[in-house]
Amino acid sequence: DAKTTQPPSMDCAEGRAANLPCNHSTISGNEYVYWYRQIHSQGPQYIIHGLKNNETNEMASLIITEDRKSSTLILPHATLRDTAVYYCIVRVTGNQFYFGTGTSLTVIP
Amino acid sequence: DVKVTQSSRYLVKRTGEKVFLECVQDMDHENMFWYRQDPGLGLRLIYFSYDVKMKEKGDIPEGYSVSREKKERFSLILESASTNQTSMYLCASGSLGERLSYEQYFGPGTRLTVT
Repeated sequence: DAKTTQPPSMDCAEGRAANLPCNHSTISGNEYVYWYRQIHSQGPQYIIHGLKNNETNEMASLIITEDRKSSTLILPHATLRDTAVYYCIVRVTGNQFYFGTGTSLTVIP
Repeated sequence: DVKVTQSSRYLVKRTGEKVFLECVQDMDHENMFWYRQDPGLGLRLIYFSYDVKMKEKGDIPEGYSVSREKKERFSLILESASTNQTSMYLCASGSLGERLSYEQYFGPGTRLTVT
């Protein structure tokens, strides 16, 4: 099963870019990488996904390495409201997502 | 915007009671999911459904059952609640999107306490 590994916690200064890494070394060729975040006491919220090209939307950018074994989520100008747990997920079989424990990002004023 | 609603934000039940958690989505998604979330364990999939009356076990189905009689509604049932089922329960729905990608949309969660 393609699973992911993320650091348990990170800090980032407000206004700076937050770079959240994820390792998915067993990912298969047709599996997307998804990123979600969960703000305290709320359900997870979709951020972005990608297959092999870099992706950008209004929330974040996703950089996927050429071998697809790792990726980085970039929040270009972190705000206090970006403090949350960030999950990197590889869709494994059918429609099942395997959420790990994610990275707890704290944005510091 | 996709909306996934759950019947209660907070619920307190006694050991042995039968508990129903309801989830409704308004985007005509084929797939619906129930997860539980516990500190240090992340989100774990309990059951999912890919069509009306269809269900599949997730990673931790023991002690739970589900019902999907209508496309928009997916219920999680605790037949006889136990204290180790105290947890945050999250419902999600999803469908295949463009480029065969897939997004899940989550409800706000139900925090269940079993005493």
